[in-house]
Amino acid sequence: AQKITQTQPGMFVQEKEAVTLDCTYDTSDPSYGLFWYKQPSSGEMIFLIYQGSYDQQNATEGRYSLNFQKARKSANLVISASQLGDSAMYFCAMREGDTGTASKLTFGTGTRLQVTL
Amino acid sequence: SAVISQKPSRDICQRGTSLTIQCQVDSQVTMMFWYRQQPGQSLTLIATANQGSEATYESGFVIDKFPISRPNLTFSTLTVSNMSPEDSSIYLCSVEIRGGGTEAFFGQGTRLTVV
Repeated sequence: AQKITQTQPGMFVQEKEAVTLDCTYDTSDPSYGLFWYKQPSSGEMIFLIYQGSYDQQNATEGRYSLNFQKARKSANLVISASQLGDSAMYFCAMREGDTGTASKLTFGTGTRLQVTL
Repeated sequence: SAVISQKPSRDICQRGTSLTIQCQVDSQVTMMFWYRQQPGQSLTLIATANQGSEATYESGFVIDKFPISRPNLTFSTLTVSNMSPEDSSIYLCSVEIRGGGTEAFFGQGTRLTVV
């Protein structure tokens, strides 16, 4: 089974509108972390936001927020007030295990976001 | 956060040759990882670079093909050996920083084309 599922291969949003990128995950480990990254055409991976499984509140970073629904195992990224520069691939990723212990990230297949005028 | 410098940013190589990619971090980090992203695909972990010992490789990746060094806590190299066109990918190093949360940062990536 896929550990990280991103069901939207592509999304369009108008400039200044909000957009939600979906991510569901599968793990039996009670301790895990969820990440979102942005990858522009240049190829670099830009860290956006992190949510730990024990965090009580949804993570927010500027225009990015993570809608964490633990019971549904979903960690959707919400981008508010979209800008043309937000056009990129977006990857959801998960790390399993104690958040104090480093381990690998497992990535979803990504969603390509296109912001239009 | 951390500043991660990865070199080269891109290269075009002949099949059968090898390329060494460097990853330099501006602070000491515990964990460094190497990922591969094949064209149009997601990221796949190649190995964990361990300081002072042999790297830990994921299933499907072997040391002879992807030798890794990590001589200290701020530097690592990945070599892609005996390249074929199938090795054309973006290769990314990643480090983990312990902050308020646990965050993982990536270098700029190396876009490799094998001809």
